[in-house]
Amino acid sequence: QVQLVQSGAEVKKPGASVKISCKASGYLFSSYAMHWVRQAPGQRLECVGWINAANGNTKYSQKFQDRVTIAKDSSARTVYMELSGLRYEDTSIYYCARVVASRGRSYFDYWGQGTLVTVSS
Amino acid sequence: DIEMTQSPSSLSASVGDRVTIACRASQNITNYLNWYQQKPGTAPKVLIYVASTLQGGVPSRFSGSGSGTDFTLTISSLQLEDFATYFCQQTYSPPPWTFGQGTKVEIK
Repeated sequence: QVQLVQSGAEVKKPGASVKISCKASGYLFSSYAMHWVRQAPGQRLECVGWINAANGNTKYSQKFQDRVTIAKDSSARTVYMELSGLRYEDTSIYYCARVVASRGRSYFDYWGQGTLVTVSS
Repeated sequence: DIEMTQSPSSLSASVGDRVTIACRASQNITNYLNWYQQKPGTAPKVLIYVASTLQGGVPSRFSGSGSGTDFTLTISSLQLEDFATYFCQQTYSPPPWTFGQGTKVEIK
């Protein structure tokens, strides 16, 4: 069955960087794009960016453009998201989510369990 | 960015009630609208995609309707396991996509 397993919780100081991993199993890795979505406490879900797992092309939300890098290791079936210059307001749960995109439909069908990133001095 | 606005932000209902949640887009998104359910401490789960298509395994008491800018999620007869937060998401524009702020369904 499809599974997305993320790395564990992180506590970082302001200005630091964090790198989160998302290991996929149960499907052909290169066939589905992977998105990163975050959720601050009590806030709406917010898309950070995504990667085409076939060719490695990435696209980032303008809000995070200067601070985020999404990459993949196909041999390890793993996608990574690194966020630099952390601020207190980056404290959130970060999810990876697989996207179904075909025949006029696009939606997230599988999600990782979430990784809590806490920015604290 | 396309803004998504849900109403209400929260509601209280009883088991067996019919519940309706609205989602409005800031511009025409045709039918590129998805609904997710999220329970505390868990990731969201897709219920409905392209406005009205039920994801496999989702109970038929859930339904979606609408097109253009106005959409609705309806739960025909609320069950205990339906108490959760519901989000709409537009996928009309190129990603990254945007979500509504969520509607929390609580027990009356």
